[in-house]
Amino acid sequence: EPEVTQTPSHQVTQMGQEVILRCVPISNHLYFYWYRQILGQKVEFLVSFYNNEISEKSEIFDDQFSVERPDGSNFTLKIRSTKLEDSAMYFCASRKTGQYTEAFFGQGTRLTVV
Amino acid sequence: AQSVAQPEDQVNVAEGNPLTVKCTYSVSGNPYLFWYVQYPNRGLQFLLKYITGDNLVKGSYGFEAEFNKSQTSFHLKKPSALVSDSALYFCAVRDRTNAGKSTFGDGTTLTVKP
Repeated sequence: EPEVTQTPSHQVTQMGQEVILRCVPISNHLYFYWYRQILGQKVEFLVSFYNNEISEKSEIFDDQFSVERPDGSNFTLKIRSTKLEDSAMYFCASRKTGQYTEAFFGQGTRLTVV
Repeated sequence: AQSVAQPEDQVNVAEGNPLTVKCTYSVSGNPYLFWYVQYPNRGLQFLLKYITGDNLVKGSYGFEAEFNKSQTSFHLKKPSALVSDSALYFCAVRDRTNAGKSTFGDGTTLTVKP
């Protein structure tokens, strides 16, 4: 069964450093998302991406964040200057076109900012 | 704005007993509702969805959910719980825009005891 894959599974970075989280969505999916989950808390929407542009972003997704689809398969989330409060599990998701389709989530990248 | 409430942080049931995990929602218009399950250190796995039609929706692993429009609820149920069902369960509502971001509840930890 096709799945969304994310790398790395765990990233430790120093405060102020840039990180790039990588995702390979399911190949025939056209909508892409990033969500985050701070340990033990709810899953929060960050950004949605369609047709090579951001469709919607939350207030969390400030100027420190950016997304890119550099080629036909990868979907990346960049945090330019990490803060301690960026420590969380970051989930990538994708879904097919169509109103009724469900999103499929990757296993997540645990980002730890020290 | 859409929102989801899961009123119980924790649900404990004995193996073999029926289980219910509660969810209520608030949206304008007709809702798209989803249940996801998260096992420790794993991503979110899709369980089932309600789009339209029958109020009782059947999903993976023997789970089902009952949509009740008048009570704005979408409770997750299973007739006979298994120890392996122990996990964190999230209810989500998705908006009807093309971006289709999901808003998640806070999650309910289900513990099934032998």
